[in-house]
Amino acid sequence: GDSVTQTEGQVALSEEDFLTIHCNYSASGYPALFWYVQYPGEGPQFLFRASRDKEKGSSRGFEATYNKETTSFHLQKASVQESDSAVYYCALGETSSFSKLVFGQGTSLSVVP
Amino acid sequence: GGIITQTPKFLIGQEGQKLTLKCQQNFNHDTMYWYRQDSGKGLRLIYYSITENDLQKGDLSEGYDASREKKSSFSLTVTSAQKNEMAVFLCASSMVRQGAGNTLYFGEGSRLIVV
Repeated sequence: GDSVTQTEGQVALSEEDFLTIHCNYSASGYPALFWYVQYPGEGPQFLFRASRDKEKGSSRGFEATYNKETTSFHLQKASVQESDSAVYYCALGETSSFSKLVFGQGTSLSVVP
Repeated sequence: GGIITQTPKFLIGQEGQKLTLKCQQNFNHDTMYWYRQDSGKGLRLIYYSITENDLQKGDLSEGYDASREKKSSFSLTVTSAQKNEMAVFLCASSMVRQGAGNTLYFGEGSRLIVV
């Protein structure tokens, strides 16, 4: 079945550091790809999506580019802030009329001042 | 905007007990989901319901039942609680949308504690 792999379980950075969280997927079709963010005590919330090869999704300074060749959708941010500390989930969904999302394991980001 | 409300926030029960989590949404979304969240394992789908009166099993449905009472509500029952099932359970909803995949909106989660 479809799957999503996030390489990093935990990432620790200082403010203004560059962030990369790796996401690779395996899917039989041509999925939509998502990033969700979960702050402590809250449910995951949608960050952004991309639906086709080479499309860039972005929100709140975060961005990722759909790469069908390398089956990747890596999350990046140029300069992280302490308020970005959260758990980040990569997910994929089928681009049919209905889809259930398949999530990666999650990456816990901790940013210190 | 809308909101997803999960009750209770903490559910404490004994081993072997039948326990039920409830979820309400006011987005008027057709589709609702229950995911289980375990540290290091991400979110795994337990049950989903595409429309009212529909029920579909996810990857983790064994040991659970679900009920879609009406469009706005979706319940999850742990049929016999076990200590290794202690986790956070997340309810979500989405529109049925062509072409670009669905965006899910999540509740804050319910934590199951088995004593």
